[in-house]
Amino acid sequence: GAVVSQHPSRVICKSGTSVKIECRSLDFQATTMFWYRQFPKKSLMLMATSNEGSKATYEQGVEKDKFLINHASLTLSTLTVTSAHPEDSSFYICSARGTTLENIQYFGAGTRLSVL
Amino acid sequence: GIQVEQSPPDLILQEGANSTLRCNFSDSVNNLQWFHQNPWGQLINLFYIPSGTKQNGRLSATTVATERYSLLYISSSQTTDSGVYFCAVGVSGSRLTFGEGTQLTVNP
Repeated sequence: GAVVSQHPSRVICKSGTSVKIECRSLDFQATTMFWYRQFPKKSLMLMATSNEGSKATYEQGVEKDKFLINHASLTLSTLTVTSAHPEDSSFYICSARGTTLENIQYFGAGTRLSVL
Repeated sequence: GIQVEQSPPDLILQEGANSTLRCNFSDSVNNLQWFHQNPWGQLINLFYIPSGTKQNGRLSATTVATERYSLLYISSSQTTDSGVYFCAVGVSGSRLTFGEGTQLTVNP
């Protein structure tokens, strides 16, 4: 149980285009989902926290107009990188936390974004 | 915010050796998770261990919450254990803060 699916696993796009990344909890309801960014050989940095049906909470320094997050249902959150530029190239990882008493976060497999 | 320090940053072992990875944190937490990030980037949950001791096969973990540290033990290491091990901590209902990780290389 507790599987999180993230799609696509890899995307290459041209500068100026927008890219949407999906994060789905397959076998549990996720009241809260998280989006992280990871640079090569670095740790994970939290970008934003999204709760189903409400606006996402962004970490300091993360542009909310650049990284649009939607959490429309208890099993799906999306991250849209708008007008992508080469500096947005990175590894993006989502996680989901269920409704049980434990606060375990389960992670997707990540999306490697390359902006040309 | 909470500070998380992991040690050592890098560790190279021969297959079959045992190792201990450490995670220190700066404040009281009630969420602590250990992950293994494989070469493809997937984070694999190893333990949810805000306190106490757990074992799963060759892996075990101990968290001493009052002293603000956690240990991950790997016994009889295998080449497939290679990768980055992350410790992440948090307070109930809030974000996880990740350490910088330990890069483990197990040579045949």
